[in-house]
Amino acid sequence: EAGVTQSPTHLIKTRGQQATLRCSPISGHTSVYWYQQALGLGLQFLLWYDEGEERNRGNFPPRFSGRQFPNYSSELNVNALELEDSALYLCASSLLKSPLHFGNGTRLTVT
Amino acid sequence: GENVEQHPSTLSVQEGDSAVIKCTYSDSASNYFPWYKQELGKRPQLIIDIRSNVGEKKDQRIAVTLNKTAKHFSLHITETQPEDSAVYFCAASKEGFQKLVFGTGTRLLVSP
Repeated sequence: EAGVTQSPTHLIKTRGQQATLRCSPISGHTSVYWYQQALGLGLQFLLWYDEGEERNRGNFPPRFSGRQFPNYSSELNVNALELEDSALYLCASSLLKSPLHFGNGTRLTVT
Repeated sequence: GENVEQHPSTLSVQEGDSAVIKCTYSDSASNYFPWYKQELGKRPQLIIDIRSNVGEKKDQRIAVTLNKTAKHFSLHITETQPEDSAVYFCAASKEGFQKLVFGTGTRLLVSP
């Protein structure tokens, strides 16, 4: 089966711009999670979507937002980019009672 | 909220040796503890997990132990091989698979 796919692989933006990251879950998975992996840090929980609704969010400012579409794919938007937003953004999907499966991530660089 | 601490941050062993990575968690309500392996440039992959009603779980060369009283759990890798070299992350959750809180990772280097 196809795994979790994320696009783009790399994204370079300048400070103040907006970034949009996309994620397609494994077929049949209804939950999508977003994590930020900054250099030297662990995975920080950003957002959890299930059945099209935001179920929970981590300790991130409101300029981090997203949505989940009817086909369960998801989009993460980061507004007013700051240098410290540079990180690997990982998407994961699951069924409610199953472990998380991660995508390869989007490397966001803010200059 | 939950806080997960992971040690050591780096671990170097010789091929064939055992490796142990330890994690502590703060929320006694946590009930699910997975371990992920992330090879360089690749996605994190689940290698083993344990629930709070089990004290130990083993899968070939990998085992995880859980001490609920002390609120810590450990990953044990026996007979290490160079392909075990990667960053390993522990995580904890009190909501099953939702809202995992990850440790900061351990970079394991296995030298031939």
